Amino acid sequence: QVQLVQSGAEVRKPGASVKVSCKASGFTFTSHDFNWVRQAPGQGLEWMGWMNPDSANTGYAQKFQGRVTMSRDTSISTAYMELTDLRYEDTAVYYCAINRYYFMDVWGEGTTVTVSS
Amino acid sequence: HSVLTQPPSASGTPGQRVTISCAGSDSNIGNNHVNWFQQLPGTAPRIVIHNNNQRPSGVPDRFSGSKSGTSASLAISGLQSEDEADYYCAAWDDSMNGRVFGGGTMLTVL
Repeated sequence: QVQLVQSGAEVRKPGASVKVSCKASGFTFTSHDFNWVRQAPGQGLEWMGWMNPDSANTGYAQKFQGRVTMSRDTSISTAYMELTDLRYEDTAVYYCAINRYYFMDVWGEGTTVTVSS
Repeated sequence: HSVLTQPPSASGTPGQRVTISCAGSDSNIGNNHVNWFQQLPGTAPRIVIHNNNQRPSGVPDRFSGSKSGTSASLAISGLQSEDEADYYCAAWDDSMNGRVFGGGTMLTVL
């Protein structure tokens, strides 16, 4: 079945970087755009950007431009989101989601990223 | 604070109809489609309404969406205990050139 499986929880120090992966299965990897959304503890959803896995074209939310990079490896059907210069406020659950039939209708389970000294 | 404005909380009793509002502007709701997501505690969000008022397959017909001008609403009729969740509206924003979410509404079934 259609599935997005994300990498495990990460702990990083302020100023470091983190790269979260999202492995796709059950569909043609290059057929659907990927979105990345994060949710800080007890807070709402925040859209970070999108990537077309076929062309590798990306679009980032203004807030994250310069710090985020979305990429993919089509040979292993995996999308990535890398966030650099981490701050305490980047502590959140990071989700990948695809636009299969509707906008963000298939989601990964989320990856917890904790920024702590 | 969020570009789209939702009430922080809403409530209703089983069987009741509740409505959740989402206020935006010309650059987002006024010019683009609205989507609604349901998030149960500890789980990833799930889309319940897309393109303002379209219900994805598998979503009960108790859920409906509407849009007028720069505002949108999600209505849930015949409220059930399993509807207790956080609900988020989302739309593309032309000024920000990105997707924006509302702050979320926590729905409590009394």
